[in-house]
Amino acid sequence: DAGVTQSPTHLIKTRGQQVTLRCSPKSGHDTVSWYQQALGQGPQFIFQYYEEEERQRGNFPDRFSGHQFPNYSSELNVNALLLGDSALYLCASSLWEGMRGYTFGSGTRLTVV
Amino acid sequence: KQEVTQIPAALSVPEGENLVLNCSFTDSAIYNLQWFRQDPGKGLTSLLLIQSSQREQTSGRLNASLDKSSGRSTLYIAASQPGDSATYLCAVNSGYSTLTFGKGTMLLVSP
Repeated sequence: DAGVTQSPTHLIKTRGQQVTLRCSPKSGHDTVSWYQQALGQGPQFIFQYYEEEERQRGNFPDRFSGHQFPNYSSELNVNALLLGDSALYLCASSLWEGMRGYTFGSGTRLTVV
Repeated sequence: KQEVTQIPAALSVPEGENLVLNCSFTDSAIYNLQWFRQDPGKGLTSLLLIQSSQREQTSGRLNASLDKSSGRSTLYIAASQPGDSATYLCAVNSGYSTLTFGKGTMLLVSP
């Protein structure tokens, strides 16, 4: 049973560029959430997608946007990259409201130079 | 706004010791609480999920307890091993489609 798959695993971008990160949820899950984890910190919630719509959003600027496809996979897009966007980006999948818990992927390490 | 605190921030123990990691949260209106393990630079591995109606969950050498009324959870690791070295994260599900995480406890178990 495949878990959550994220791609790419590592990425280096230049300030001002745009980046797209991808996530395939665990089989049977219909909800995808994205988190940003800075070094030494706990993950911070970016947003969650359910039924192809953004259901909830954390305290992140509009430069962060996403999409969910009919097969439940998701993309996270970040525009106008800043040095401070360097972090580990984690995707989590779940069923409604996470009542059976969340399953996380291995993450994408984004470095902005 | 839910806030989660984990104590201690770091812990170093010799192999074989039993240890307790602590997690506290400010809002007791939760759906469930999940403990994760994170190896350096890696993703999160779920260890235990405790529903709000439960008092504890066990998996192998791990036991997690939940006292919702006092806003506390503990993760007990029995007979620690060097392979247990990792960061342990506590995450609270208060609804609103989000998990709120603590900053984690970094555990080092030396042979």
